[in-house]
Amino acid sequence: EAQVTQNPRYLITVTGKKLTVTCSQNMNHEYMSWYRQDPGLGLRQIYYSMNVEVTDKGDVPEGYKVSRKEKRNFPLILESPSPNQTSLYFCASKTGAEAFFGQGTRLTVV
Amino acid sequence: DQQVKQNSPSLSVQEGRISILNCDYTNSMFDYFLWYKKYPAEGPTFLISISSIKDKNEDGRFTVFLNKSAKHLSLHIVPSQPGDSAVYFCAASALTSYDKVIFGPGTSLSVIP
Repeated sequence: EAQVTQNPRYLITVTGKKLTVTCSQNMNHEYMSWYRQDPGLGLRQIYYSMNVEVTDKGDVPEGYKVSRKEKRNFPLILESPSPNQTSLYFCASKTGAEAFFGQGTRLTVV
Repeated sequence: DQQVKQNSPSLSVQEGRISILNCDYTNSMFDYFLWYKKYPAEGPTFLISISSIKDKNEDGRFTVFLNKSAKHLSLHIVPSQPGDSAVYFCAASALTSYDKVIFGPGTSLSVIP
């Protein structure tokens, strides 16, 4: 089954404690992306990757890092999380214009 | 400033009637538009899209209309079903840079049985 898998689904952490949200896709897509969803703001793009070792900033990259060492994985790294990064995060992959999304990771930073 | 706007945060429609969800955009470089549907606790799923060379695209009960001069698109669902109750996101991109997709804030549709 074609899917994008994110882990964990839920995470509560404390300010400043580094964390990684993993994302894996099994569709051999070159393009992957991370979004955050906040009330009234829709989905905003954090980072995207056009291929292995190629990443670029989206609209809200501050406080986030990504890496793309292999095609199927695109982890999102928060080196020093802050409360304003409390949000619902989605990973996506695509080969054309239409994207496939993971189920989301709800992150709370206290 | 939001480049893609969905001015109705919520909409309620009776089962069997038409649901019309609206979306406005400001960037004239956008030439490809998509609608995604999102259920609670799930990721968005692609619903329908339209290129700027068309003014209408239909897929079963779902039709998207594009008015380029007004920078406006709408999603029509006919007939509406309770299973259509979800949040609908409008999204836009430029085909020359499809890696950048801008989403609207979403409209929550409730279809009442």
